[in-house]
Amino acid sequence: AQSVSQHNHHVILSEAASLELGCNYSYGGTVNLFWYVQYPGQHLQLLLKYFSGDPLVKGIKGFEAEFIKSKFSFNLRKPSVQWSDTAEYFCAVNTWRDDKIIFGKGTRLHILP
Amino acid sequence: GAVVSQHPSWVICKSGTSVKIECRSLDFQATTMFWYRQFPKQSLMLMATSNEGSKATYEQGVEKDKFLINHASLTLSTLTVTSAHPEDSSFYICSAREDAEGTEAFFGQGTRLTVV
Repeated sequence: AQSVSQHNHHVILSEAASLELGCNYSYGGTVNLFWYVQYPGQHLQLLLKYFSGDPLVKGIKGFEAEFIKSKFSFNLRKPSVQWSDTAEYFCAVNTWRDDKIIFGKGTRLHILP
Repeated sequence: GAVVSQHPSWVICKSGTSVKIECRSLDFQATTMFWYRQFPKQSLMLMATSNEGSKATYEQGVEKDKFLINHASLTLSTLTVTSAHPEDSSFYICSAREDAEGTEAFFGQGTRLTVV
């Protein structure tokens, strides 16, 4: 079965630090990849997505992610985090064969002011 | 982005009763809707995928007779939790997608169900 693995469950950083959240998936076919963010008390919002083309994808709020097909990875990065980035981040994979959107367990990011 | 609305936002029901949760796409036609369940401090667990006009596809371990999903129109899907029990208490989230597989899905704000 397809699965999505997020390596970090809880990350604490100071403002201006650089961020990288890992995401790996297990599926050999065509996939579309997403990062969603859930701010406290709010519903899920799309940060960025990869469908095809340039494997380096830029999203909102300065976030970017790189799809490395050989590593089945789609890591999320931001060069300098802000206190307002405190939220939970979910990596998700849409598999074309089964047409499901599967989520990772999420990474809770806490930014210290 | 497109808007997906869930109703109600929260509901408390007595054990043994049924409760219906609605998921509406407000400004687009959703060919596919997904229903998720989120336990505290855990990820979203896909319960079922529904396509308009056809029966929902349930994930392994999800009781289709307990969690009835109806996707009768391109803008509305409903999840009915039948004969609810306290262990059904959870946060239920729907998402809706306009086009074929591979496009972005938009999420509702979720419904917190508490069964007492």
